[in-house]
Amino acid sequence: NAGVMQNPRHLVRRRGQEARLRCSPMKGHSHVYWYRQLPEEGLKFMVYLQKENIIDESGMPKERFSAEFPKEGPSILRIQQVVRGDSAAYFCASSRTDGVNTEAFFGQGTRLTVV
Amino acid sequence: KNQVEQSPQSLIILEGKNCTLQCNYTVSPFSNLRWYKQDTGRGPVSLTIMTFSENTKSNGRYTATLDADTKQSSLHITASQLSDSASYICSFQRGASGTYKYIFGTGTRLKVLA
Repeated sequence: NAGVMQNPRHLVRRRGQEARLRCSPMKGHSHVYWYRQLPEEGLKFMVYLQKENIIDESGMPKERFSAEFPKEGPSILRIQQVVRGDSAAYFCASSRTDGVNTEAFFGQGTRLTVV
Repeated sequence: KNQVEQSPQSLIILEGKNCTLQCNYTVSPFSNLRWYKQDTGRGPVSLTIMTFSENTKSNGRYTATLDADTKQSSLHITASQLSDSASYICSFQRGASGTYKYIFGTGTRLKVLA
């Protein structure tokens, strides 16, 4: 059973370009969470999705950021018109349910560098 | 404000030695506390999970404790190994609602030397 798969592992974008980060959850997991980790900072919640639905996007900037989890295919975190401050590691996690004490399993992350 | 602070920021120990990492928190309420290990370039992996009513939980050489009075948690690593070199992160799963909204500390970077 493969773990949470994220790609690409590393992504370099010039300011103003778009970044697309992909996350395939573990088999049987329908709940996906995206987190951002800045250097020397803790992981910060961005968005929580279930298949075809955004459940909570309260941690995601309202401008330039969007996320989706279609019926088929991976979850996508999209950042438009990237700026230097978007440089960070973006982690996706998935879980079977969203109940208390349910463990969410993390992918290896995508490291975005904006030049 | 819900906060999680970890200390020390970084730690170097010799292989075979024990160490204790600290986590002070103001998160309230919370449903559980997890300690994660994050290898460089990897995602976090859960080591231990404790509910707010538990005091201690072990997983092999890792033992986590929770003191609700002082609002402190610690992770004790015994007989350290080179492979223990990683960042260790404590996190709290918020209670009541938004159970998926973990609050993470900034981590302690542990380096184990031969």
